[in-house]
Amino acid sequence: DGGITQSPKYLFRKEGQNVTLSCEQNLNHDAMYWYRQDPGQGLRLIYYSQIVNDFQKGDIAEGYSVSREKKESFPLTVTSAQKNPTAFYLCASSIPDTGLVIAQHFGDGTRLSIL
Amino acid sequence: QKEVEQNSGPLSVPEGAIASLNCTYSDRGSQSFFWYRQYSGKSPELIMFIYSNGDKEDGRFTAQLNKASQYVSLLIRDSQPSDSATYLCAVNADYKLSFGAGTTVTVRA
Repeated sequence: DGGITQSPKYLFRKEGQNVTLSCEQNLNHDAMYWYRQDPGQGLRLIYYSQIVNDFQKGDIAEGYSVSREKKESFPLTVTSAQKNPTAFYLCASSIPDTGLVIAQHFGDGTRLSIL
Repeated sequence: QKEVEQNSGPLSVPEGAIASLNCTYSDRGSQSFFWYRQYSGKSPELIMFIYSNGDKEDGRFTAQLNKASQYVSLLIRDSQPSDSATYLCAVNADYKLSFGAGTTVTVRA
């Protein structure tokens, strides 16, 4: 089955620790995205990548880092510089531009909490 | 000013009624518009997209777009308890999506 797999489902971070969230897709999509969702709020874009070995900052990139070494994978590292990391993290992918529609499909998300 | 704004909820409708959700956006260059449904604790799932002015129907869902007024809406006809969820409006510009905060709909039996 084609889809987006995020792991782990739940993650706990100790103070001063970096943690990495995994996102893998087998949809053959070029573009991948990371969002953060806080309770009662919409999705805010952290980073996005339209092609392998290239990525851009979104609206709230501070305290996060990403890499895009393979088309299928777009891991997100939450660094110790991110002082309020508790949130629901969502990874998405899409075909970057097929005319006007670039619908994004989401993984099941990772819930990150501070210990 | 927020880029994408949705009518504040929660919205409570009786089973079988029409639920009407509204969304306005600020970027006139936006070209495509999406409605996602998100159940509590789950990830968003795409239910509709629209990019031309007018109406687009898919089963019990109708999306309406008015680019001149920078307005997009979603109608849910014959609302069912399974429609109880948060509905997110998303707007595309520059290869990115901007999301509204969502409107929570509760369908009461």
